[in-house]
Amino acid sequence: GAVVSQHPSWVICKSGTSVKIECRSLDFQATTMFWYRQFPKQSLMLMATSNEGSKATYEQGVEKDKFLINHASLTLSTLTVTSAHPEDSSFYICSASGPGGRFWEETQYFGPGTRLLVL
Amino acid sequence: DAKTTQPPSMDCAEGRAANLPCNHSTISGNEYVYWYRQIHSQGPQYIIHGLKNNETNEMASLIITEDRKSSTLILPHATLRDTAVYYCIVRVAIRDDKIIFGKGTRLHILP
Repeated sequence: GAVVSQHPSWVICKSGTSVKIECRSLDFQATTMFWYRQFPKQSLMLMATSNEGSKATYEQGVEKDKFLINHASLTLSTLTVTSAHPEDSSFYICSASGPGGRFWEETQYFGPGTRLLVL
Repeated sequence: DAKTTQPPSMDCAEGRAANLPCNHSTISGNEYVYWYRQIHSQGPQYIIHGLKNNETNEMASLIITEDRKSSTLILPHATLRDTAVYYCIVRVAIRDDKIIFGKGTRLHILP
């Protein structure tokens, strides 16, 4: 249980285009999802917290108009990188809060990541 | 900023126990110690967590000192598939609370 998927697993796009990444909780409902970005040889950096039905909360330094987050349902959150540039090339990872009522409810479950390359 | 300190890298021979230390001297009474690991080019994987008692599951054991200022993750019989970056994280046990990752320990399992 507690599986999180991401789509696509990798994407290549031209500079100036927009790219949408999906994050789904497959077997549980997640009221909160998180988006991270990871550059090579570095740790994960939290970008934003996404709550179902409300606006996302962005971390300091993350441009909310560039990284659009939509959490329209309890099992789906999307991250859209608008007007992508080469410096946006990175590994994007989402996570979802585990379902309540079980012994591992305090944990978060991570997706497999999406590798974005902007040419 | 991360609330934990970990060695940047460690080596362990295959088949031996891997002991990964973590210092969290400023941990609060309501904060848990969590361990995640990230295998290359994958998302992080939950390993174990604990408050003050030692914990064991099918993956690992977590030993927390009595003063809770440090802990050790033990992988009892390391295999090559355990090569990964291991993150020690201190946070409250609220499922919607965000996780802030530090730099972690890069564990190399040697054949």
